[in-house]
Amino acid sequence: GAGVSQSPSNKVTEKGKDVELRCDPISGHTALYWYRQRLGQGLEFLIYFQGNSAPDKSGLPSDRFSAERTGESVSTLTIQRTQQEDSAVYLCASSPPGQYEQYFGPGTRLTVT
Amino acid sequence: AQRVTQPEKLLSVFKGAPVELKCNYSYSGSPELFWYVQYSRQRLQLLLRHISRESIKGFTADLNKGETSFHLKKPFAQEEDSAMYYCALDAGGTSYGKLTFGQGTILTVHP
Repeated sequence: GAGVSQSPSNKVTEKGKDVELRCDPISGHTALYWYRQRLGQGLEFLIYFQGNSAPDKSGLPSDRFSAERTGESVSTLTIQRTQQEDSAVYLCASSPPGQYEQYFGPGTRLTVT
Repeated sequence: AQRVTQPEKLLSVFKGAPVELKCNYSYSGSPELFWYVQYSRQRLQLLLRHISRESIKGFTADLNKGETSFHLKKPFAQEEDSAMYYCALDAGGTSYGKLTFGQGTILTVHP
């Protein structure tokens, strides 16, 4: 079946603008994760949704970052007043109930000019 | 806080040679360790998990708690093993599912 999808695949924006990144998890997956990968670095955890529980936002780097998830489906990551240091690949992953393996999407490459 | 270190950014071997990708971690509890792999133009995917103690595509990894290491090994590398490899740690408990990744190692297997 279809894997995790993310849109857009690439986004170029001007410094100071807001951006929204979208993630469609695999159907039936209750857990959803957002990660950020800066050039030459490993993946950095941002936020985690699990079912109807309150999300774990401990990885969000500043209050300019926020994320929402509608039930157990689509999630959007919003970055307000983008800065050049926000340039990175943003990866989304999902997991089925009770399982450890995370299934990753293709990522959104964000470039802030 | 936990940390994962992959000391080699790049690793090159010839086909048929043994390969070892190093991973060290720092965490005071009992973590779960994983290796994820990303082949060219493909998505990041799970390669193996230490609890499974299985061999995937000829790769194995043993958790050494004394040395806090989880090195990935394969006795005879193949060209199709060329990829980016990430070691990742799950601290469990309230942090279950939140993976801490190393910076990754690019493995190139030459013919």
